[in-house]
Amino acid sequence: QLQLQESGPGLVKPSETLSLTCTVSGGSINSSAYYWGWIRQPPGKGLEWIGNFYYSGYTYYNPSLESRVTISVDTSKNQFSLKLSSVTATDTAVYYCARRYGDYGGYFQHWGQGTLVTVSS
Amino acid sequence: QSVLTQPPSVSGAPGQRVTISCTGSSSSIGAGYDVHWYQQLPGTAPKLLIYGNYNRPSGVPDRFSGSKSGTSASLAITGLQAEDEADYYCQSYDSSLSGSNVFGTGTKVTVL
Repeated sequence: QLQLQESGPGLVKPSETLSLTCTVSGGSINSSAYYWGWIRQPPGKGLEWIGNFYYSGYTYYNPSLESRVTISVDTSKNQFSLKLSSVTATDTAVYYCARRYGDYGGYFQHWGQGTLVTVSS
Repeated sequence: QSVLTQPPSVSGAPGQRVTISCTGSSSSIGAGYDVHWYQQLPGTAPKLLIYGNYNRPSGVPDRFSGSKSGTSASLAITGLQAEDEADYYCQSYDSSLSGSNVFGTGTKVTVL
């Protein structure tokens, strides 16, 4: 049974870098069948896709966040990470990691439980 | 940045049928990209409800059905039940936004 678990600080100061890790169990992130990604949801608002990566190393990001986002992977630990720089209060959200099946218009079939990150001094 | 528009809310009595629309454009749904639907119960992560426009994952009741036509898609819930009260999101791909997976604005379903 595939499981994804987000971890990282729940509080980040404005202008600093938000860093989160997603640990995958029950499946390998080194699979050619899937993409892995991050999605966020500000309190009381809708879902926003942040970015995806593919096992080959290909990454792509939401154009509105691209200048501040980096997704990286540690295959030895079966983990992938999100870094979002220069955060402001508008980056306060629940952050989800997820596994996506299919190219381009694929769907997110498995999600982590999410972790709330608050940006505040 | 959402380019998929949904009604903010829909409601219905138990047993009724409700539909949720998801309107995109010629660069998203109208370009032939698949539409997927998610159900988000309060305080939980989204759950895949429909994939590839009309397919249900194992365990999803057949009360939920999806369709797509032109630049829009729809989710229908027949025989509405109290446990269906949740937020629902559509998702697709938009070729005008490099690499973009896009989510709909979300719809709150209320069971009266």
